[in-house]
Amino acid sequence: AQSVSQHNHHVILSEAASLELGCNYSYGGTVNLFWYVQYPGQHLQLLLKYFSGDPLVKGIKGFEAEFIKSKFSFNLRKPSVQWSDTAEYFCAVNANQAGTALIFGKGTTLSVSS
Amino acid sequence: NAGVMQNPRHLVRRRGQEARLRCSPMKGHSHVYWYRQLPEEGLKFMVYLQKENIIDESGMPKERFSAEFPKEGPSILRIQQVVRGDSAAYFCASSPRGGATDTQYFGPGTRLTVL
Repeated sequence: AQSVSQHNHHVILSEAASLELGCNYSYGGTVNLFWYVQYPGQHLQLLLKYFSGDPLVKGIKGFEAEFIKSKFSFNLRKPSVQWSDTAEYFCAVNANQAGTALIFGKGTTLSVSS
Repeated sequence: NAGVMQNPRHLVRRRGQEARLRCSPMKGHSHVYWYRQLPEEGLKFMVYLQKENIIDESGMPKERFSAEFPKEGPSILRIQQVVRGDSAAYFCASSPRGGATDTQYFGPGTRLTVL
């Protein structure tokens, strides 16, 4: 069965620090990869997604993620975080052969102090 | 340009009662997904529906849970005879084509509390 692992449950950073959130998945076939963000009191929003092509994907608000197939990873990065990036971040996967349901990781809570 | 709408946002039920959760997809979207988020857990897929059809219900509990997406009106997730373990946030998402590469757009969720 597919699964998604997010290594960090809670990350605390100061403004301007660099961010990297880990995401690993278990599935040997072709996958589609997503990062969603949930700001306090708001619904889930798509940050970025990867289907094919350039493994370095750029999303909204300065976020990017790199798909490394050999490591089954899709880590999220941002060079310099802001207080407004405080939110919960979810990595999600689906496999073309397994339908369209998204498999989510447990999420990482990011707290940014000003 | 309304997004995915869910109501109610908060629902309190006593054990044994029924819970009905509604989801109106984004305009032009005919594919709806329901997910459940238990405390300290990620979202878990429950069911995927198109208008008048259940496409994938592999994540639905076998008993007490049902879902529909009629030709007219919102999608409904129904939980009969609720138990405390049903307390969770239930999220609905919609997509335009239902493909694996489609972005799923999420609603604000319904937080169900079972007393």
